[in-house]
Amino acid sequence: GIQVEQSPPDLILQEGANSTLRCNFSDSVNNLQWFHQNPWGQLINLFYIPSGTKQNGRLSATTVATERYSLLYISSSQTTDSGVYFCAVENYGQNFVFGPGTRLSVLP
Amino acid sequence: KAGVTQTPRYLIKTRGQQVTLSCSPISGHRSVSWYQQTPGQGLQFLFEYFSETQRNKGNFPGRFSGRQFSNSRSEMNVSTLELGDSALYLCASSLEGTSGRSMFFGPGTRLTVL
Repeated sequence: GIQVEQSPPDLILQEGANSTLRCNFSDSVNNLQWFHQNPWGQLINLFYIPSGTKQNGRLSATTVATERYSLLYISSSQTTDSGVYFCAVENYGQNFVFGPGTRLSVLP
Repeated sequence: KAGVTQTPRYLIKTRGQQVTLSCSPISGHRSVSWYQQTPGQGLQFLFEYFSETQRNKGNFPGRFSGRQFSNSRSEMNVSTLELGDSALYLCASSLEGTSGRSMFFGPGTRLTVL
């Protein structure tokens, strides 16, 4: 089945810093989503982005489907951005496969 | 619109018991997926239901089962609980579309097996 890798596994930032999270996948996909899991376990839907670039406030994401990777950018990070960021991909009618996540800690 | 709801939020059971978890999707969503999240294995797919039919199934033993009702609400059942079944169980709903679909997750049910 499709493999999903995320890097880095852990990231510690000072408040106000910028960061880039990466998601690599091993096969063609027709769906890619980024999620943020807060400390209470809730998975928040950030972006639906099978290709192209999207922006939502301080967050933006880019997926280059032909090269099988996606990037999530967080600018001017805040302590509330802490948590685990997951990317999940869907391969044409199969189930979503999640990456192992990037654990982000933003220090005040 | 109300989000995805899951009940109960927390559950403590002992080995050998069985448990039923419930998920109500976003109104109008007909697809419901279940995931198990553990520290060691991450998020693993259990099964997906669409219009009361199981569409996909993950690599879990037969002790894990599910169903979907005509109103799209879904339940999953775990029989003969084992210590390793302790996990956060997450349900997601999605709206099918020709250009793809976006999943929305509920708050999860945290199951502890003693």
